[in-house]
Amino acid sequence: QVQLQESGPGMVKPSGTLSLTCAVSGGSITGNNWWSWVRQSPGGGLEWIGEIYHSGSTNYNPSLGSRVTISMDKSKNQFSLSLRSVTAADTAVYSCAKVFRYFDHTFDREYYYGVDVWGRGTTVTVSS
Amino acid sequence: DIVLTQSPLSLSVTPGEPASISCRCSQSPLHSNGYNYVDWYLQRPGQSPQLLIYLASNRASGVPDRFSGSGSGTDFTLKISRVEAEDVGVYYCMQAVQSPITFGQGTRLEFK
Repeated sequence: QVQLQESGPGMVKPSGTLSLTCAVSGGSITGNNWWSWVRQSPGGGLEWIGEIYHSGSTNYNPSLGSRVTISMDKSKNQFSLSLRSVTAADTAVYSCAKVFRYFDHTFDREYYYGVDVWGRGTTVTVSS
Repeated sequence: DIVLTQSPLSLSVTPGEPASISCRCSQSPLHSNGYNYVDWYLQRPGQSPQLLIYLASNRASGVPDRFSGSGSGTDFTLKISRVEAEDVGVYYCMQAVQSPITFGQGTRLEFK
């Protein structure tokens, strides 16, 4: 059973960089999954930030522009989020999640089974 | 971006009664593999979201059969046949056919 655990500073200064890590346990980060970051602002809904596959492929939400980078450390079985030039609007609960989705080249088709594992989330406040 | 519009935004239900939530997509979530990439998630108070339904109508592992998903085109529905105490929380639909992944606004379910 895969489990995810976020870690990182709970407070970041405006214009600074938010950096979070998601440790993956109970399974390999090189499996047939995409690894995502999702955030939820206070009292708000869910916003998808982006995702990474073990090949290095990434997809990002254009709403965050060029401020976001998601990377992976296979040796540590973890992936990370970097969000630059933060403002108060970036204050949120940040969660990492596993998207069970992969492309089977043998059958030339994609398989998808939802976002089936979520971390508990970590609160990040942007404040001076 | 594909915009998902849920209704109602709030639902007050008597335990044991049915409940239904609608999710309308601004574009078709139909993938080239023939499946609608619409999921349903429940976020209980103080917890992370939990997958209920994927690909519009497939129950996730461990999800009670009182939960069912249906729909086609741009309109999708989550139904709970008999609401129980553990079903209280906020329900979200999500589309994953196109990047960026987007969520509905959420529907808060509470007991009368």
